[in-house]
Parts: sequence; C-alpha cells; structure tokens
Amino acid sequence: NAGVTQTPKFQVLKTGQSMTLQCAQDMNHEYMSWYRQDPGMGLRLIHYSVGAGITDQGEVPNGYNVSRSTTEDFPLRLLSAAPSQTSVYFCASRAVHQETQYFGPGTRLLVL
Amino acid sequence: AQSVTQLDSHVSVSEGTPVLLRCNYSSSYSPSLFWYVQHPNKGLQLLLKYTSAATLVKGINGFEAEFKKSETSFHLTKPSAHMSDAAEYFCVVSHRSNDYKLSFGAGTTVTVRA
Repeated sequence: NAGVTQTPKFQVLKTGQSMTLQCAQDMNHEYMSWYRQDPGMGLRLIHYSVGAGITDQGEVPNGYNVSRSTTEDFPLRLLSAAPSQTSVYFCASRAVHQETQYFGPGTRLLVL
Repeated sequence: AQSVTQLDSHVSVSEGTPVLLRCNYSSSYSPSLFWYVQHPNKGLQLLLKYTSAATLVKGINGFEAEFKKSETSFHLTKPSAHMSDAAEYFCVVSHRSNDYKLSFGAGTTVTVRA
C-alpha cells in the first residue's frame, strides 16, 4: 500500500493563477479531507468528503473547491490563488467508522 | 464543541532527560484524543491515541500519555529524550458526534540539546 499520496510536493504560483492539488489513497477509505497548516495554528480543516459524490465545508473553505468522483481521489482546487493561501496542505483519509486518520506527505504552496 | 490547548509552544530538553508536553482539551462528550508528530518537512505520524479504554496509553518510540478526565488533560511524556525526538507535536481531539472531525492544537516544537 502506498497509503495517502499527494502531488506536487512543492509549487510556486502567482496571484490569480489556478491550480489543483492532487490527493489519492489506496486503502479504500470512504472519508477524505484537506487541511492547511500555518505556523502557530495547527492544522485547520478546509473541505472533507464522506464518500464519492459527497463533499462538505470545513473550518476554512473560502477560496477552495473540491470534488469526489471516485473513492480513491480527492483533488483540491484553487481557482484564483492569493498570498493568504501560502501554506502547507495535507490530505488525510480514514475508514468511515474508524477514528484514526492517515495523512499524506503534504504539498508546500507559495503564492507570490 | 471541541478544542485543544497545548500549553507550551516550545520545549527544550537535554538528550537523556524526560520530556513533558502538556495538552488540555475541551469537549462536550467523552472524546478521542491523539498525539501526532511531524518531523521537519515531513508529514504527520500518529504517536498514540486514547479511545475510552485504558487511561494510560503507550505509543511508538517510547512515548506515552495519560488521559485525566478530572483535569481534562492528555499530557505526553517520554522518560529519556533522544536527538531524533526533535520535531513538532500536535495534540488532537475528535468525537463521533462531530463526524470524527479533528481539532488540532497549535503544536509544540521540541528541541533536543546534545
């Protein structure tokens, strides 16, 4: 099992550009989520999904879109990047009735 | 509602001495509690978790944590620090009533002196 994988590892964007952060898991987990990590703030939930075709907003959803067309993939889209979105992004997954979440290695995003 | 407060943003210890990372939680229900570790430029790794079984929880790499309901605390300890323990540590709370969403503390950075 590869677990949770994320691409790219690092990305630099200019303000206003769009991009998609990819997340995939091979554990057949129903629940997937995206977090952003900022210094002194821990991780904050952006969006989450409890299964294919179902998504919902987390604590800090503004400026981000998600979709879940398959169980394995959960991409995060930035439609118009802003410097405030400079952060490290983590994807996580878990089985629906299990508590433990498994995290990917992260994507470091810099918006200039 | 649920939340976590990590009482120290930075802890510095000498190699071979004990480590104590303090965490207080707030939850309307009996929570599940976790400690995750993040080494520099790495992802998050689960150290240990409490899910209403034994109150003293043993994790990986010699870490353990004690759930104290009366004090709403879940402090992480290790008897003897190693250089490889230098990392950031997160205390996390969740509950099934909140769909197991994770609420993270702000993190504690551990420095280990030779």
